[in-house]
Amino acid sequence: DVKVTQSSRYLVKRTGEKVFLECVQDMDHENMFWYRQDPGLGLRLIYFSYDVKMKEKGDIPEGYSVSREKKERFSLILESASTNQTSMYLCASMGGYEQYFGPGTRLTVT
Amino acid sequence: GENVEQHPSTLSVQEGDSAVIKCTYSDSASNYFPWYKQELGKRPQLIIDIRSNVGEKKDQRIAVTLNKTAKHFSLHITETQPEDSAVYFCAAKSGGSYIPTFGRGTSLIVHP
Repeated sequence: DVKVTQSSRYLVKRTGEKVFLECVQDMDHENMFWYRQDPGLGLRLIYFSYDVKMKEKGDIPEGYSVSREKKERFSLILESASTNQTSMYLCASMGGYEQYFGPGTRLTVT
Repeated sequence: GENVEQHPSTLSVQEGDSAVIKCTYSDSASNYFPWYKQELGKRPQLIIDIRSNVGEKKDQRIAVTLNKTAKHFSLHITETQPEDSAVYFCAAKSGGSYIPTFGRGTSLIVHP
């Protein structure tokens, strides 16, 4: 069974803080994704990585950066958190066609 | 790039009825069409998928149909049950891309 885990289920941060969200997969998948999920807007791609140290911007990369130093780990970084980044963040990995999602991190920025 | 439209955004049915969710896509190069189900508070999980060389695929009470000419595909759930209540996402992916494009989701509510 593919397992994708995320470092926190719930996170509360203050405006201006630097925030790290981590995602780990155990299936040696090359492709990993970070999505943001908001009601009525579906799953919006923030960043994508197809290999270690390789990344591509998704549809809404502004205010975010990513890091992939090891194949199994993909980190999302909010350099200076803002209230409009309050959302559910979902990580996913993909080896072939199917995406496997993590449980999500509910981030609240106050 | 690819654009996926999904309708309806909300669907309410009585237990035992059928439910149909429709998606259209724009990129004729898309050849893989998955459907994900996300129950409340849980992660999205793949429930069925179809590739462009097939027109229909069934798995027990769920089926997906694909019309490549019209660029649309649909999810059909028969004999709905309360546990089918969830948000359903369609997606489309071309062979030349790693990245699937998702629809905005349909919230299905099955009333007992």
